[in-house]
Amino acid sequence: KNEVEQSPQNLTAQEGEFITINCSYSVGISALHWLQQHPGGGIVSLFMLSSGKKKHGRLIATINIQEKHSSLHITASHPRDSAVYICAVRSSSGTYKYIFGTGTRLKVLA
Amino acid sequence: ETGVTQSPTHLIKTRGQQVTLRCSSQSGHNTVSWYQQALGQGPQFIFQYYREEENGRGNFPPRFSGLQFPNYSSELNVNALELDDSALYLCASSLRGRRQETQYFGPGTRLLVL
Repeated sequence: KNEVEQSPQNLTAQEGEFITINCSYSVGISALHWLQQHPGGGIVSLFMLSSGKKKHGRLIATINIQEKHSSLHITASHPRDSAVYICAVRSSSGTYKYIFGTGTRLKVLA
Repeated sequence: ETGVTQSPTHLIKTRGQQVTLRCSSQSGHNTVSWYQQALGQGPQFIFQYYREEENGRGNFPPRFSGLQFPNYSSELNVNALELDDSALYLCASSLRGRRQETQYFGPGTRLLVL
């Protein structure tokens, strides 16, 4: 079992839909990142969370430390949101190691 | 754009060869991490350098080695290339010591081993 699990693995939505991507982890963490990766490979950091909730534009990220779970929400989805969304946790073990989920491939249809 | 650059963007090598990938960190960042991302997979942590010393390593064999220079640019070296080394190699820089340390990723180097 992976230390960081994401669901769903693939998601197709219609433009305008509300989207939720989930991330569960089994290790102690000091922070959790949500990343966006477009075809071609470049990764953009969307959020870094250690508690609570953050919002940026149409994106909202939440984390529940007790339940070891985080969600990324996209409101009013748009075809340009199509990308792979990756959850990555920073281990609290002191080695500054990051553990990545396998990603959720999102396709938003016009 | 993150300010982190990597070179080359693409590279083709043959099995047994050696390769050096380069990363230029965002200005002021003192930490660089390297990741390997196989097709369809999430990135895997290779190692991290902080102030020119290795500071954490993932499950990669010794033929994966690195360097960080005084200007905080970095190299990833892979010896005796194997077919399974074909992947996207990402570097990410950050500033150690900040409470909210954020990693900034480069665009990656796509390596193909034939």
